[in-house]
Amino acid sequence: RKEVEQDPGPFNVPEGATVAFNCTYSNSASQSFFWYRQDCRKEPKLLMSVYSSGNEDGRFTAQLNRASQYISLLIRDSKLSDSATYLCVVRFTGGGNKLTFGTGTQLKVEL
Amino acid sequence: EPEVTQTPSHQVTQMGQEVILRCVPISNHLYFYWYRQILGQKVEFLVSFYNNEISEKSEIFDDQFSVERPDGSNFTLKIRSTKLEDSAMYFCASSDPNSPLHFGNGTRLTVT
Repeated sequence: RKEVEQDPGPFNVPEGATVAFNCTYSNSASQSFFWYRQDCRKEPKLLMSVYSSGNEDGRFTAQLNRASQYISLLIRDSKLSDSATYLCVVRFTGGGNKLTFGTGTQLKVEL
Repeated sequence: EPEVTQTPSHQVTQMGQEVILRCVPISNHLYFYWYRQILGQKVEFLVSFYNNEISEKSEIFDDQFSVERPDGSNFTLKIRSTKLEDSAMYFCASSDPNSPLHFGNGTRLTVT
């Protein structure tokens, strides 16, 4: 089983739509969780950390379900500029300080 | 905002040649990393570096790879004898303990 698993997409949505991405991780002893965004041929950039109680940053909402080993990202009122690949990222307990990346979910927001 | 910088942005080399990829991490960070991303594939961990030594490395990081922090600012990745399959984007990153990683804008390595 892959350590961090995501649906690769692509998700094609119209501007203004709400879209949700899911991610599962294999190790229940995981320490911290993040969503990164990656534009084509660019570096990953931190979008938001994911906290146990769930957290929101503007149009973006992240949820964590430790029992199901499941993380989600919800984007409301999507913009053309949201088009990118969204990477689910986990820091596993006992894995040092490194981050483990999922394969990413590609989002295309269209007019 | 402080950032991680990498040079060069693109490196073309012949198979069997040595390459050195350079990085300047964020100055007050303690952890440094190298990741790579083969075109169309996921971001893969290579190595982490803390307190002037390797703290963890992946299976990819074999004897052909080495890292160095030659002075107080630079962090380098050396590939001794490049192979075609080493062609990828190489990302340097730095962080505080238990914090998100900040990535540089990458070096695209092309081995011909």
